[in-house]
Amino acid sequence: EVQLLESGGGLIQPGGSLRLSCAGSGFTFNTYALGWVRQAPGKGLEWVSSISRNADTHYADSVKGRFTISRDNSKSTLSLQMDSLRVEDTAVYFCLAYPQYYYDNWGQGTLVTVSS
Amino acid sequence: EIVMTHSPATLPVSPGERATLSCRASQRINTNLAWYQQKPGQAPRLLIYGASTRATGVPARFSGSGSGTEFTLTISSLQSEDFAVYYCQQYYSWPRTFGHGTKVEVK
Repeated sequence: EVQLLESGGGLIQPGGSLRLSCAGSGFTFNTYALGWVRQAPGKGLEWVSSISRNADTHYADSVKGRFTISRDNSKSTLSLQMDSLRVEDTAVYFCLAYPQYYYDNWGQGTLVTVSS
Repeated sequence: EIVMTHSPATLPVSPGERATLSCRASQRINTNLAWYQQKPGQAPRLLIYGASTRATGVPARFSGSGSGTEFTLTISSLQSEDFAVYYCQQYYSWPRTFGHGTKVEVK
């Protein structure tokens, strides 16, 4: 069974940095694409970033240049480095692992609150 | 960016009734469409991919159809556990985009 466990969320001031991590287990980590989707309080889902098996990366325009996605296959870990955080980045961040193009495995999410 | 639009935003349905949810893409996406179900406080769950293929473990009362720009998710006979928010998402091009969702609520 695929399991994804996010960590690293919390309260951070605008302009600050935060690093999210996602530990994967129950699957062959290096054969899956990985990603992040977020959900602001009371709002819908927003795709944030993805990284392929070959480490090709994609970002939403809203986070491009501020967020960096990376993977460490040796540790079965996905990371999201978030810099220059804004109030509008406040959301629950879900980790994804998927062998194809659609998101069949989700973590439970970690809350990031950007506030002064 | 491909914009995904749900209709209706809210769908009141009685248990046992049929529910039909629509999703429109602003550009043709062939069948590169997925549907997700989300209940309060939970992560989304994949229901349908390829516009019409049920994900593992999804009951047969859920069905998807459509291609190009127009898509439909049908729940043939609503059960109590089906009251939730449903999102469509395209994976035809970057950036990936979700619709704002349809909330299926008790009538």
